[in-house]
Amino acid sequence: SYVLTQPPSVSVAPGQTARITCGGNNIGSKSVHWYQQKPGQAPVLVVYDDSDRPSGIPERFSGSNSGNTATLTISRVEAGDEADYYCQVWDSSSDHLVFGTGTKVTVL
Amino acid sequence: QLQLQESGPGLVKPSETLSLTCTVSGGSISSSSYYWGWIRQPPGKGLEWIGSIYYSGSTYYNPSLKSRVTISVDTSKNQFSLKLSSVTAADTAVYYCARSTTAMATITWGQGTLVTVSS
Repeated sequence: SYVLTQPPSVSVAPGQTARITCGGNNIGSKSVHWYQQKPGQAPVLVVYDDSDRPSGIPERFSGSNSGNTATLTISRVEAGDEADYYCQVWDSSSDHLVFGTGTKVTVL
Repeated sequence: QLQLQESGPGLVKPSETLSLTCTVSGGSISSSSYYWGWIRQPPGKGLEWIGSIYYSGSTYYNPSLKSRVTISVDTSKNQFSLKLSSVTAADTAVYYCARSTTAMATITWGQGTLVTVSS
């Protein structure tokens, strides 16, 4: 089955840039979606189709995808960005939806 | 704005069947542009896809749960449902119902409901 690997944690100072990676075999050939989840809340889509943002999501959130790695970048990090982040793809070869292992972003 | 709301028992006994319903409001479940599905999250752990259904009835299930899962749609009630049989403590989780695009980006989530499997 298809596996998506994320770093367990990323720490970043306010105002700096956080980069969260999502590794998968030839992930560049798939559409990657990213979710933010704060404690006790349902996840929220922050980036879809590799690099598009839903309405209401700040431009500080951006995404890229190439080769075996997709990346979610959070610029000018704020305290409110502290959350768990998950990548996700649809594996069309097996018709299965796969979530990454999740990354906890801590704002120092 | 479309909203989703899960409903069902919060406590299920081991070996029994977990049954949840998701009620869709503010839009039609018969829309051809979306998939409807279930995702769960055990306490303190990550997200796990359970399965999805297209308005036409086509279903897709997580292979690790496929033998125990059934997802169905009731267009007359604008609802879709999850049944998970032979549950164990490992099935204890917050269960979310969700709406996804045809690229399977999950754009709408229910608030989630905690289901505990215990005798």
